[in-house]
Amino acid sequence: QSALTQPASVSGSPGQSITISCTGTSSDIGKYKYVSWYQQPPGKAPKLMIYEVSYRPSGVSYRFSGSKSGNTASLTISGLQAEDEADYYCCAYTSSDSFVFGAGTTVTVL
Amino acid sequence: EMQLVESGGGLVQPGGSLRLSCAASGFTFSSHWMTWVRQAPGRGLEWVANIKPDGSGTFFVDSVKGRFTMSRDNAKDSLYLQMNSLSAEDTAVYYCARHDYGAWWFDPWGQGTLVTVSS
Repeated sequence: QSALTQPASVSGSPGQSITISCTGTSSDIGKYKYVSWYQQPPGKAPKLMIYEVSYRPSGVSYRFSGSKSGNTASLTISGLQAEDEADYYCCAYTSSDSFVFGAGTTVTVL
Repeated sequence: EMQLVESGGGLVQPGGSLRLSCAASGFTFSSHWMTWVRQAPGRGLEWVANIKPDGSGTFFVDSVKGRFTMSRDNAKDSLYLQMNSLSAEDTAVYYCARHDYGAWWFDPWGQGTLVTVSS
């Protein structure tokens, strides 16, 4: 199972919006609603930010939103803040009853 | 507060074995699937394995099948990963995380334990 495709890095100025794409196949993202996103600050453990494509867990800022179209999922961060600097990973459930992550995207706040 | 604490990582020689543990608290451990995810130094996340709530079924990524086993002790709220025939490619921080059947996302995560395979 190949990793999902994410851009290596995305940057934006404070207050701007950025979008991170995550491309899979018809056996994972295209087949199921089980796309999740994780935020990982340097040296820390991952934290769930989005589940089932577009749902936010309790405590996650409304500035984080998710969507999906075909084999591609997206995470949008609006009103970018310095605290949003981190690595972001998408994850999808697959038809092989396994999970595949993206390679990760580093978000930089300029 | 839900918490997961991994332990058991360390330095091991190629071909060696190591057993990781994950202690759970703050939720009903026996009701949830559990998973292991690893992250090689400077690399991305990789799903390794998961286990059903009663321990009756385990599932593994192809690269560890036949070498790793996963188990749990619901009486002790603990999860285990037995790793055998280790190679340098297994060097990583190993995280345990909770999920549910039909709720295929991971939350919460532990802080991770580092496994280094080197001679």
